Order: sequence, then structure tokens, then C-alpha cells
Amino acid sequence: DGGITQSPKYLFRKEGQNVTLSCEQNLNHDAMYWYRQDPGQGLRLIYYSQIVNDFQKGDIAEGYSVSREKKESFPLTVTSAQKNPTAFYLCASSRQGVLTGGYTFGSGTRLTVV
Amino acid sequence: GQQLNQSPQSMFIQEGEDVSMNCTSSSIFNTWLWYKQDPGEGPVLLIALYKAGELTSNGRLTAQFGITRKDSFLNISASIPSDVGIYFCAGLSGNTPLVFGKGTRLSVIA
Repeated sequence: DGGITQSPKYLFRKEGQNVTLSCEQNLNHDAMYWYRQDPGQGLRLIYYSQIVNDFQKGDIAEGYSVSREKKESFPLTVTSAQKNPTAFYLCASSRQGVLTGGYTFGSGTRLTVV
Repeated sequence: GQQLNQSPQSMFIQEGEDVSMNCTSSSIFNTWLWYKQDPGEGPVLLIALYKAGELTSNGRLTAQFGITRKDSFLNISASIPSDVGIYFCAGLSGNTPLVFGKGTRLSVIA
């Protein structure tokens, strides 16, 4: 079955460390997205990519970095510059770039800074 | 960025009751979507609306795309315990990614 896989499900990070969250899809979708979810805040866009080797900043990109070397993969690195990284991170994908409404989401990674 | 105002923030209802929630924006959207999120999981698409005035149903769920293209509502009829979760509206306009509301947390009391 096609889908979008995020790993790990839970991640603990010490302050000052970088950490990379994985997102892989086998839906042959062109576009991929990273959202951050905090309680009561909804989903806020971090980065998105419409094609391989290209990506754009979302509303809260500071302290994060991404790469899109393959169509199937869109890893997110939470750097030590992100002051409040504890959150639930959701990856999504869609066909035909951002013009298509239906996003498919992964099951998320919960990052906790200890 | 653009913002969607979703209300209510939370609801506590008795099993069997109907539920209504809505989303408004100061901007026009071309597409309205409604998602449901179970605890610890990613959101799942419930209904997609593509035309102003469109009314669409999916089982006990009904959603409408407002005539002004600045609002949408979702109704759930005869709620059941598995309806518990967070419901998000989302809007799409032009060549920008989906914008999400802050969610409505639904609790169903059996």
C-alpha cells in the first residue's frame, strides 16, 4: 500500500544538538511539506518542496533546515538554533505541487528536548 | 501568513447529538478542506470542497463552501464515541500551501 512514513515516532534530544526527522513517501507525489503542531496552535508550515532539489521557507522556518535530493524523501533537521523545538512534527505530501488540495499526512514524530 | 479562525475551540457533547463547527477567513480561498486528527496521529482528510456554495456529505458529515469563499462549516450528525478528536479546517488559494485553522477539539460523552 502507498503511504507516507515518518520516523522515529518519538525522539529525545539534548539541548544544543541537531536532530534529523525522516519522511519518506511512495505515493509518487511531487510536493512534500513539514508542519509543526503545538497544543492549541493548529498546524504551522515550516518548509515545503514542490520538486526535487528545490524548497521554500514556510511561516516558521527559523532554526530548521531541509533537503530534497530524492522525490521520495524530505528530511527535516531541527538545529540548535531552534529555541523551542519540543513539538509534534507532521510531514505531508501531495500531487502536482501546492495547487492540489488533498494532502496525505504521516503519523508524526514527537520531539522532546531534555 | 494567512490565518483561519476556527470555532469553537472545544466541544463537549452527548452521544447522539449533532455537532457544528465553522471556519472563517479575511481572505478568499479556492478550496476548503476538513481534516480529523486522532491522538498521536496525522490528520486524515474528511471532505474537500472546490466550488463556492458547494454542499458535500460523507456519511454523517456534511460540509459547505461559503458563497463569499471566505468561510466553511462542518456538521456531524448523531455523534458517536469514535468522533472524538481534533477537527481542522484548511484553505487553499493560488500557489501557496494549505493554511490550517487551530482546530476544534471534540469530546463525546457516552
